[in-house]
Order: sequence, then C-alpha cells, then structure tokens
Amino acid sequence: SQTIHQWPATLVQPVGSPLSLECTVEGTSNPNLYWYRQAAGRGLQLLFYSVGIGQISSEVPQNLSASRPQDRQFILSSKKLLLSDSGFYLCAWSVLGRGGKSGELFFGEGSRLTVL
Amino acid sequence: AQKVTQAQTEISVVEKEDVTLDCVYETRDTTYYLFWYKQPPSGELVFLIRRNSFDEQNEISGRYSWNFQKSTSSFNFTITASQVVDSAVYFCALSEDNAGNNRKLIWGLGTSLAVNP
Repeated sequence: SQTIHQWPATLVQPVGSPLSLECTVEGTSNPNLYWYRQAAGRGLQLLFYSVGIGQISSEVPQNLSASRPQDRQFILSSKKLLLSDSGFYLCAWSVLGRGGKSGELFFGEGSRLTVL
Repeated sequence: AQKVTQAQTEISVVEKEDVTLDCVYETRDTTYYLFWYKQPPSGELVFLIRRNSFDEQNEISGRYSWNFQKSTSSFNFTITASQVVDSAVYFCALSEDNAGNNRKLIWGLGTSLAVNP
C-alpha cells in the first residue's frame, strides 16, 4: 500500500533562518507531488506541484522553493524565513494520468512551522 | 470563474444528531469533479468522496451521505447519528481538470464540525 510521510512535524524557526521540509512517498512510482500551505483561516493554498523529477511548478510567488531530487521525494525550502511563512504545510501525492483518480489526493501528516 | 463556497464556518452538534454540511460551487465547465475531504485534529486531510458532473446519484457510505444537485450547484454532505470522532474540519473542493495533475483543485474554506458528547 502507498504511504506518505513528511517531517519534521513541528518546527520553530527565527526570522531569517533557512527551512527544509521533506516529504517521501512509498508504494507508488511517478506520482504527482504537491506542497500546500494552510494558514490560520484554514484555507488550502497550493504552493508547488511536480509531475516528475526536476519538474516543479510554482503556483504563487513567494519566499519558498521546492525541489524533487528523486521520484518519490519532495522538498520545500527557504533560504531566509519570513514571519508570514508561518503555517501548516501539507505534502500530498496523486496518481498521474487522465480521468480515473483525478482530484484524489493523499496527504501527509503535515508540518507546523512557527517563525518568530 | 470557479469557486467553492462553504457558508457554514463552524457547526456544533450533540452526539447522535444528524448534521448537514453545505457546499455550493460555481463553474462554467460541463465536466467537473467534486470532492469532500476531512481534516481531523491530527491535521492530515483524508479523502472522502469524488463525484463527477455526470453522476447525480446520491451516495451513501455508512453514516455518511452526499446529495449532488446540479440544478442548485450544490454538493452537500450529511452525517447521520454523529459521533465525537466526526469532529473535524471538512473541505469541499472542485476540479475541472481531467488530466490528472490536480493543480486546478478549488478548495472551499472548510466547515469546522464539533460533535459534543
């Protein structure tokens, strides 16, 4: 069966420090991968998605970047955190391809980031 | 433009009550998909259901049921005989993307359901 893990679960970082959140998927190959941010208002904002190794699309301009060094690994990074980067970050994967499971996302446990 | 509205921000019920979570969507496409996800206090979102625009049959899964009405652009979710474990934030979402990459998911802001013992 497929599983998705992300870490760390909780992170408190000072403004200006770097960030690295990691997400790995097991039990599937060539998945679509996503990073979402959920701010205090609960809305989900898509930050990045990837359809393959090295292929990253950014949905919103921001202080963050993403990388996919391996098929089932997705990393969210920042060189210098801002206060506004605080939030709950969720990694997700889905099946690549038309129709079928379109829209069915499988989420990780989330990483809560507090920037002080 | 596509939009998903969950007008109920918070709902509080007593255990065993039935509760309906509303979802109204806007789209110009004739082919689209609607979803419900559950986010328990642990934080991980869990997929509950996907419905395509050509299938207006209501669905029942245990205590959960979904009512899809294209005439009113609604996809409401009912929990029968609610339990404390149903306490969570519930999200409705819309996708017009049949290509499988899901980047065009439009999310509602969620409804926080509290089921009290």
